[in-house]
Formats: sequence, C-alpha cells, structure tokens
Amino acid sequence: QSVVTQPPSASGIPGQRVTISCSGSSSNIEGNTVNWYQQFPGTAPKLLIFDTDARPSGVPDRFSGSKSGPSASLAISGLQSEDEADYYCATWDDTLKSVVFGGGTKLTVL
Amino acid sequence: EVHLVQSGPEVKKPGESLKISCKGSGYTFSTYWIAWVRQMPGKGLEWMGTIYPGDSDTRYSPSFRGQVTISADRSTATAYLEWSGVKASDTAMYFCVRRRSSGYSAFDNWGQGTPVSVSS
Repeated sequence: QSVVTQPPSASGIPGQRVTISCSGSSSNIEGNTVNWYQQFPGTAPKLLIFDTDARPSGVPDRFSGSKSGPSASLAISGLQSEDEADYYCATWDDTLKSVVFGGGTKLTVL
Repeated sequence: EVHLVQSGPEVKKPGESLKISCKGSGYTFSTYWIAWVRQMPGKGLEWMGTIYPGDSDTRYSPSFRGQVTISADRSTATAYLEWSGVKASDTAMYFCVRRRSSGYSAFDNWGQGTPVSVSS
C-alpha cells in the first residue's frame, strides 16, 4: 500500500478535460515536488511532468501539473485516444527517506 | 542523446545469484544519480534505491535494504543491481533510470527494462 494514493481508473471522451489526483501527506507531497509518468503497455514509463508543473521538451501543453497542500493533480485537456495509458505520480517522502510512487491510474478514452 | 541500455532477460531458480546491468551513454555518467525501479507483473512502480556513480554514495528504500545491492563502475559507465539469492517474489521487470539534477523523483531517462523470472 503506497503512502501516496491515486484512483485506480479514470476515463473521458475525446476532447474532454480529465484530472488524475495524487493524495499524500505533509511528509511527502506537501513539502516536495511531484513528478508524473505516462506508461503504455509493454514499454518503459516516460517523464510527463517534473517539478510539479514543468513539462519536458516534447510533451504537449495539453498536459499540466499542479499541487495544493498534500495533494497533486495531473490535468489532460483536449483528451485524445493516444492518451490512453497508465499514469503514475512520484515524490520524495521525508519520513521514509525514499521516493514513493502512487499506485497508478489507468486512463481509458471512451 | 542519452541512452540507458540494460542487460537481457534472466531466468533463474530460487536461491541463485543474479546481477543485472545498465550502461549509460550520451552524458557524463558519474554526475547523475542512477536509480532502480521495480514493476511486478500487472502492478505499479516501486523505487528500490539509487547510486551516485561519482562517489558511489548509495541509498536504499526501506523495503529493499538488505535484499539487493546497487553498485556502479564509473570506468565503464555501468550501474548494477544484484541479488545474492533470488526468490520467486523477485519476478518482475526492473528499470534503471537517470535522475534529473533537480528533484529526488524526477527520472528523465529510462532503460528498456530487464525482465527477471524466478521459478523452480
């Protein structure tokens, strides 16, 4: 059981805006930056958002990250069929002195 | 261009030793932390630990401390993950990742993964 929690699934229709939450605590998300990863079946994850709200070069601006207190969110606007993937949040936990990942959210584009 | 190339698939019996590798190229290997991430079949990502090849400073997740050994060889730009005796529960995909300069959990480059299967 991870110390940061994501919903196991999310869904939306093409063009819609969807958000994926990542809930933690004062020992992880609240005091540290959050990163998001996108993983397609059978492939390695890819960094999607770093330092809570920054996008690596090449990531469309449809993807955005934010944080408020002990929770963070990934928003995807203008949802596309190719966004169907698993999404993971990650942060540092000051108590565990360890990187912690959320359990992952499977996004389905209906 | 940064590349992390991992060693190939492994099939082991319980109790056997195992060492998998991750060779970095396209950047100064000794100046970026390398971490290992486990993904068990159908499950999520787990951070196992990390090493700074420049001075071999190594940190482990509490869940993996004592279970594996992480090492690196600067001269060959290669990081390693080692088990002294694998168990069936070690069956998983293992990724090596490069950590960005900023942030403990921002991994900007991933190896292709090394699948490990442990069965009697």
